[in-house]
Amino acid sequence: QQQVKQSPQSLIVQKGGISIINCAYENTAFDYFPWYQQFPGKGPALLIAIRPDVSEKKEGRFTISFNKSAKQFSLHIMDSQPGDSATYFCAASVRKPDSSNTGKLIFGQGTTLQVKP
Amino acid sequence: DTAVSQTPKYLVTQMGNDKSIKCEQNLGHDTMYWYKQDSKKFLKIMFSYNNKELIINETVPNRFSPKSPDKAHLNLHINSLELGDSAVYFCASRRAGVRTDTQYFGPGTRLTVL
Repeated sequence: QQQVKQSPQSLIVQKGGISIINCAYENTAFDYFPWYQQFPGKGPALLIAIRPDVSEKKEGRFTISFNKSAKQFSLHIMDSQPGDSATYFCAASVRKPDSSNTGKLIFGQGTTLQVKP
Repeated sequence: DTAVSQTPKYLVTQMGNDKSIKCEQNLGHDTMYWYKQDSKKFLKIMFSYNNKELIINETVPNRFSPKSPDKAHLNLHINSLELGDSAVYFCASRRAGVRTDTQYFGPGTRLTVL
């Protein structure tokens, strides 16, 4: 129940196209869903995150769509650029409403995105 | 200035040796983490400390022992290294609190056990 399942494992998109990565979870206690971006040889960095009280969040070319009833969320990258080529991880955590909030993140398996010029 | 730093960046060692990885953050955060990223890039939480107190201790062999001398530092000591310990180890930090969620990751330490 602690798993977050991510697909596809790899994705190739032409420059200017839309990249879509999907994640699904089982634990209904999860209430924070971030996406991290990792470039080769670097640590992951937060890209965008959403809480379950909204169905969509957009930041520039990056959009998270969230479907609470289906327990699924996805990352859309509009106008994909070669510089977006990286590994993307979805994650989930349970945010406890007090000081015991550990911030423990459960990560998906990752998606390697290649944007071709 | 580097927010979360790790040393060394690369570590190559023989099976059976003992090694340590060090992590320091200058963000003023209270909570720090160790993650293991395997050859398939899967990221898994290992440990977390909040202000020098262990708060997350996942199912990790007891050959792995974290130590936090102060809230800005979190070290990872590994005894009797095995081939399966080869991975990239990431340190991360977060400001403790109810509404703080962003974790800031270090650049990673690539451990190769021969």
